[in-house]
Amino acid sequence: EIVMTQSPATLSVSPGERATLSCRASQSVRSNLAWFQQKPGQSPRLLIYGASSRATGIPARFSGSGSGTEFTLTISSLQSEDLAVYYCQQYNNWPPWTFGQGTKVEIK
Amino acid sequence: QVQLVESGGGLVKPGGSLRLSCVVSGFTFSDYYMTWIRQAPGKGLEWVSYISSSGGLVYYADSVKGRFTISRDNDKNSLYLQMKSLRADDTAMYYCVREIGVFDNWGQGTLVTVSS
Repeated sequence: EIVMTQSPATLSVSPGERATLSCRASQSVRSNLAWFQQKPGQSPRLLIYGASSRATGIPARFSGSGSGTEFTLTISSLQSEDLAVYYCQQYNNWPPWTFGQGTKVEIK
Repeated sequence: QVQLVESGGGLVKPGGSLRLSCVVSGFTFSDYYMTWIRQAPGKGLEWVSYISSSGGLVYYADSVKGRFTISRDNDKNSLYLQMKSLRADDTAMYYCVREIGVFDNWGQGTLVTVSS
């Protein structure tokens, strides 16, 4: 089973500033990595797939990068509505499909 | 638009059973693989089960293998999760999710609480 590890657990960022979230896989997942956003009280929503492709309707301030075992989600200019928990997930080796434990983004 | 609507959650005693349903619309259900993913209160996401478009291939997480059964009725645009021998650690929101290589559409979830 591939273990996904996210850091930091919590990130506090001022509006308009950049937020950088990290995700590491215990073995290579190539570019088969997705990011999800879960706002309070809502279901998760797909943000990024293929490590760097934005899903339909996702604003351009969200970008993903990386391959192999190291990945990054960047929010270029944080907005108040970006308050959420962000999860990475690998879909290279399955079953099982595995998620990171999440990074909570707070607005400073 | 794509919609996935779960139902069937509720309060059940340890050792009990429950059947979750998910009715979908806005896409050709029989063309897609489907999964169930759960989230314990205040915790992260855990993949539970997967079923192929025809229903001929299924997978389960080790934590539910032998206790949960996934199925589908393509004529009714419906996905199911039969849960037996429920335990306290099965308490979670259960999401019905479409899989296209990635989990691209999620339902709103149905809450299962296992408690005496």
